[in-house]
Amino acid sequence: QSVLTQPPAVSGAPGQRITISCTGSSSNIGAGYDVRWYQQVPGSAPKLIMYDNNKRPSGVPDRFSGSKSGTSASLAITGLQAEDEADYYCQSSDTILRHFVFGTGTKVSVL
Amino acid sequence: EAQLVESGGGLVQPGGSLRLSCVGSDLNVRDSFMNWVRQAPGKGLEWVSILYPDGTIHYADSVKGRFSFSRDNSKNTVFLEMNSLRGEDTAVYFCARSTIAEGLDVWGQGTTVTVSS
Repeated sequence: QSVLTQPPAVSGAPGQRITISCTGSSSNIGAGYDVRWYQQVPGSAPKLIMYDNNKRPSGVPDRFSGSKSGTSASLAITGLQAEDEADYYCQSSDTILRHFVFGTGTKVSVL
Repeated sequence: EAQLVESGGGLVQPGGSLRLSCVGSDLNVRDSFMNWVRQAPGKGLEWVSILYPDGTIHYADSVKGRFSFSRDNSKNTVFLEMNSLRGEDTAVYFCARSTIAEGLDVWGQGTTVTVSS
């Protein structure tokens, strides 16, 4: 019952730029809550790669960038690399549900 | 480096109970916002519960009344007591710390709960 919608899959060739969208509503992203992004390699725990909409934790390559506008957010990966193959989840908070909400998840494949 | 380690998962029959544990190192659970997040097989992430430093607790509607989040400061450990378990509770359960600014910034490796007869 995710309230944030992401495309199921996005793919690109090595070196290309891809973007992953995260669509919410006026009760979450549109209410002004920050968006975070997590990267999850199958079989491993998620890893925070973007917070406060567009800030990268220490150690996350600057190939990753984030943005937010209105009720949506997006994660961009430039110079796509094989190691970027993973599932990506956006996350925000929700005024109505009053707790964290996750996106549906996007599987990134490097062709 | 802050770390979290979960334990306590296993196979349980529908209607049964299980208690998960999560111990912190280089991280003080008493002063942290602690969370449980789960992931059903082949599915996405689902937030389950949060425990504030002041003791406030919130639960997802899907587990409210069945799950209970608690903390033992002396052991630097948090617990998730799960009762009246259902098949849809089958998942990997992750313990994670959250901060107001960064969200869920430290995650455990997860522990697997399987509810089946």
